[in-house]
Amino acid sequence: DAKTTQPPSMDCAEGRAANLPCNHSTISGNEYVYWYRQIHSQGPQYIIHGLKNNETNEMASLIITEDRKSSTLILPHATLRDTAVYYCIVRPRTSNQFYFGTGTSLTVIP
Amino acid sequence: DVKVTQSSRYLVKRTGEKVFLECVQDMDHENMFWYRQDPGLGLRLIYFSYDVKMKEKGDIPEGYSVSREKKERFSLILESASTNQTSMYLCASSRVTSGRIHEQYFGPGTRLTVT
Repeated sequence: DAKTTQPPSMDCAEGRAANLPCNHSTISGNEYVYWYRQIHSQGPQYIIHGLKNNETNEMASLIITEDRKSSTLILPHATLRDTAVYYCIVRPRTSNQFYFGTGTSLTVIP
Repeated sequence: DVKVTQSSRYLVKRTGEKVFLECVQDMDHENMFWYRQDPGLGLRLIYFSYDVKMKEKGDIPEGYSVSREKKERFSLILESASTNQTSMYLCASSRVTSGRIHEQYFGPGTRLTVT
């Protein structure tokens, strides 16, 4: 599976958009980009995934660059409850393995 | 909404005890997984199951076994608990359609302490 690189930590003001970057320069054509988050002492929560097109759901938007070597997760109006560790994962759709790295610790500041 | 439940949020056991961690999912998912999470090491896959009575070893199966007698239930067994098995244990499930494995949904976790 392709390796991902994320900044270890970020801050965001409450009510503003949080933009979380992820580099995956070795991604292959059949690998999807997944985003999860983990609030302290809870299990990871699925957020969104995509292959090459931008995706949006009720939680977030996923922007994937045209060359697919990087992506950005956007939380449009961050709240205090969005404080969590965010994981970017790439994997083939037929693989059972999700490799969670160390993620980005997002702190939303009042 | 997918719901994955785990039998305990917190568990304290003594060294050498046999420990059972239970996980139940209510969405008829084919795949179920057990991970452990430790600071600085991220999530590591212990075992997964793709069908009733079927199992595959993950990255760190030593010291663990699993059981899946019913589709909705996946149990993790520590045959003889040791202090290095103190960890957060996470169960997950995912559906499979036409060979494609979908996103995993996680339970709340069980924090196990072995003394």
